[in-house]
This record gives sequence, C-alpha cells and structure tokens, in this order.
Amino acid sequence: DAKTTQPTSMDCAEGRAANLPCNHSTISGNEYVYWYRQIHSQGPQYIIHGLKNNETNEMASLIITEDRKSSTLILPHATLRDTAVYYCIVRVSGSNYKLTFGKGTLLTVNP
Amino acid sequence: EPEVTQTPSHQVTQMGQEVILRCVPISNHLYFYWYRQILGQKVEFLVSFYNNEISEKSEIFDDQFSVERPDGSNFTLKIRSTKLEDSAMYFCASSVRGAYYNEQFFGPGTRLTVL
Repeated sequence: DAKTTQPTSMDCAEGRAANLPCNHSTISGNEYVYWYRQIHSQGPQYIIHGLKNNETNEMASLIITEDRKSSTLILPHATLRDTAVYYCIVRVSGSNYKLTFGKGTLLTVNP
Repeated sequence: EPEVTQTPSHQVTQMGQEVILRCVPISNHLYFYWYRQILGQKVEFLVSFYNNEISEKSEIFDDQFSVERPDGSNFTLKIRSTKLEDSAMYFCASSVRGAYYNEQFFGPGTRLTVL
C-alpha cells in the first residue's frame, strides 16, 4: 500500500486559500491520489482525484508534483463550511475497491 | 443532485439483537460499499459488493455481518448478533465503477448504539 502522510491540523482564515499537503513518496505509477473530506460526523465527501496532471473542479484544485511523491489540495477561497477533516488517499495496491482512510488533516477555517 | 440515502439515522439496540441498516445507493451506480467509524477513530472499510456478490471484505466483516441487495434499489447490512463494540457510525457508499479511477459517494450514515 502507498502510505500517505498529512499534517494533523491546519488553520486558515476565511476567504484565503487553504493549501493542504500530502506526502505519498511510495506511490506507484498506476495509483491515483484521491481527496475526501468529512465534516463533523457526516459521511465522507469526494473532492477530487488525479494521477499525474494537475486537476481542478468546482470545489478544489489538486497539484501533484512531477515525481508524484507529494500533492497539495487547494481550496481557493475557504469558507467556514470548509472546516473538516481532509483525507489524502492513494488507492490501495492490489485492491480495486476499498478506500483506506488515515487520520487526515483537520482544517479549521477561522472568521 | 443524486445522493446516497441511509435509514435509520440512529438505531439503538440491545446486545445480541439483530439489526439491519438500509441504504439506497445512487441509481446508476453498480458498486456498493459499507464502512464504519467508531467514535474518534478512522473510517474503516467493511465490504464491497458488485453484481450480487461480495467483491472484497475486511477482517472486520466476519460471519456476524452480511450484505444483501434485496431489490433494485436497496442495499442492506445485517449484523446478526450485535456486540457492544459494534457501536459506530455506519456509512454506505456507491460508485459507478470499482476500479482505481472511481469516486465513491457516501451516505449520511447510521449511528448504531448497542447497549
């Protein structure tokens, strides 16, 4: 399994960009990077995923380094409702199905 | 926007009783999943289901657990004889595909409390 490392917590001011890092130095060539978030006790919510190119959708941008050993999730204009635990997940090698959640990063957006 | 729904939102049961947690996945999705989250802990994978068969299960998913798709819309998780340690949030999820490049969409969860 490709292991991910994320900071335990981060703070961000409302209206500013939130940049959440993730290290996945053992990622293999065909493994995707996924980001999910979980707002207090709710079901995890899919945000974005990518393989090697940078990706953007209506929620966020995903920047993956050229060597694919790390990535950054960017919330361009964080709001109070973006306060959540953010999970960086690399699809488990040998498993086509499950998502393996770590402890994630608790992002707190402050007014 | 289509979403995964789960019922009930909260289930309280006595130890040793059977419970059935229900989920309605997104209608065009083909892969279904159950996860659980014990209070304060990580979200843990339980089982995935495709084409009326279990495609993968974790060590947690022992003989006390079973899943079923009884009709074209519902997906259920049954716990035959609940234990105190089964108390957790149970999340259902579904996806269009099951391969690497899929997004799983989660329901709001059922909070199971075993007394």
